[in-house]
Amino acid sequence: QQQVKQSPQSLIVQKGGISIINCAYENTAFDYFPWYQQFPGKGPALLIAIRPDVSEKKEGRFTISFNKSAKQFSLHIMDSQPGDSATYFCAASSGDTGRRALTFGSGTRLQVQP
Amino acid sequence: DTGVSQDPRHKITKRGQNVTFRCDPISEHNRLYWYRQTLGQGPEFLTYFQNEAQLEKSRLLSDRFSAERPKGSFSTLEIQRTEQGDSAMYLCASSSDRRDTEAFFGQGTRLTVV
Repeated sequence: QQQVKQSPQSLIVQKGGISIINCAYENTAFDYFPWYQQFPGKGPALLIAIRPDVSEKKEGRFTISFNKSAKQFSLHIMDSQPGDSATYFCAASSGDTGRRALTFGSGTRLQVQP
Repeated sequence: DTGVSQDPRHKITKRGQNVTFRCDPISEHNRLYWYRQTLGQGPEFLTYFQNEAQLEKSRLLSDRFSAERPKGSFSTLEIQRTEQGDSAMYLCASSSDRRDTEAFFGQGTRLTVV
């Protein structure tokens, strides 16, 4: 059972445009929601993360919007650049057991066209 | 390099052979995770160590898989009697108790079973 659903599967955006990736979760025990960026042949790299006590977090061109009641969160990439072309994964973890294993979405392949 | 290090980067093996992968976490990190990532999918949790203790194993970790973390430093993941379905990227991640939500990933070991 997929606990974190991510969409779209792929996304093409023009340089300077806004990229938006959406995720929805089912497990209400999740209390930490990171986004990871992965380039081909590399491991995922932590990009930005949010906890459910805030509705938005911004770091540079990257913003997470969080809707706790809808159990949804999204990543917005402003002024998208060709260097942002990568696969993006949303994820979630729970502090219930203290182990913090991550549950990942299926990924969004972003292509930013020059 | 102070990041998470994995070795080898690539491994091609014949079906039925045993393989072993190594992960060296960030030196001050006591938490270590193994994930498996198949093509076009997000990473899936396999197992978790806190120091030398293996505290959680996913249902994905069949009897052919075994992981160790002697002395709470590096970790090894062994797959016995490999099958074609084991072909995937095996990722290691580490974090600390103090910042348990921030998991840093290695570049992974790409396993191909022929």
